[in-house]
Amino acid sequence: GQNIDQPTEMTATEGAIVQINCTYQTSGFNGLFWYQQHAGEAPTFLSYNVLDGLEEKGRFSSFLSRSKGYSYLLLKELQMKDSASYLCAVRDSNYQLIWGAGTKLIIKP
Amino acid sequence: IAGITQAPTSQILAAGRRMTLRCTQDMRHNAMYWYRQDLGLGLRLIHYSNTAGTTGKGEVPDGYSVSRANTDDFPLTLASAVPSQTSVYFCASSDGRAGDTQYFGPGTRLTVL
Repeated sequence: GQNIDQPTEMTATEGAIVQINCTYQTSGFNGLFWYQQHAGEAPTFLSYNVLDGLEEKGRFSSFLSRSKGYSYLLLKELQMKDSASYLCAVRDSNYQLIWGAGTKLIIKP
Repeated sequence: IAGITQAPTSQILAAGRRMTLRCTQDMRHNAMYWYRQDLGLGLRLIHYSNTAGTTGKGEVPDGYSVSRANTDDFPLTLASAVPSQTSVYFCASSDGRAGDTQYFGPGTRLTVL
């Protein structure tokens, strides 16, 4: 079966750095996405990785290792507005997105 | 620019009733999707459409139907609602090319009693 694993919840301090991990087992791989979802709102796109390595976009970076079936999202200089759920999704061999359950990130002052 | 709109925002429905959730996008995207999101589970694909006139089944299609008469609209119909269909429903669209990003509507919160 297809499986995306991420921690259910994480807590971090304002101004700090946090790394959210995602491991996957899917039938085929055609890219990995990270989305942010604030409570009661729609998911919004953060990043896309299809090749191994690090993609940096401002305070957010995303890393992919296809051989390990592993990705992480790195958030730097945390702000209170970063409190949200972070969703990992993998595009499989049928070009459909398989979604993890999401990681709820709680930022404390 | 509206992006993707969904209606209604929320709905309480009696079991056995028929309900259509509406979704409209103005980005001229080829592909559209319907997901449901339940607490503790990832987004699950119900149905999708790669282009106007075609539809396909996702992971959890039972009890739902869709149509894609034109590029902009992708309604989701529950023929006879059941309590297990209580969920938040998101419509999404993408331009359909490899590596494309899905953009989501604001969601419909549906409660079936």
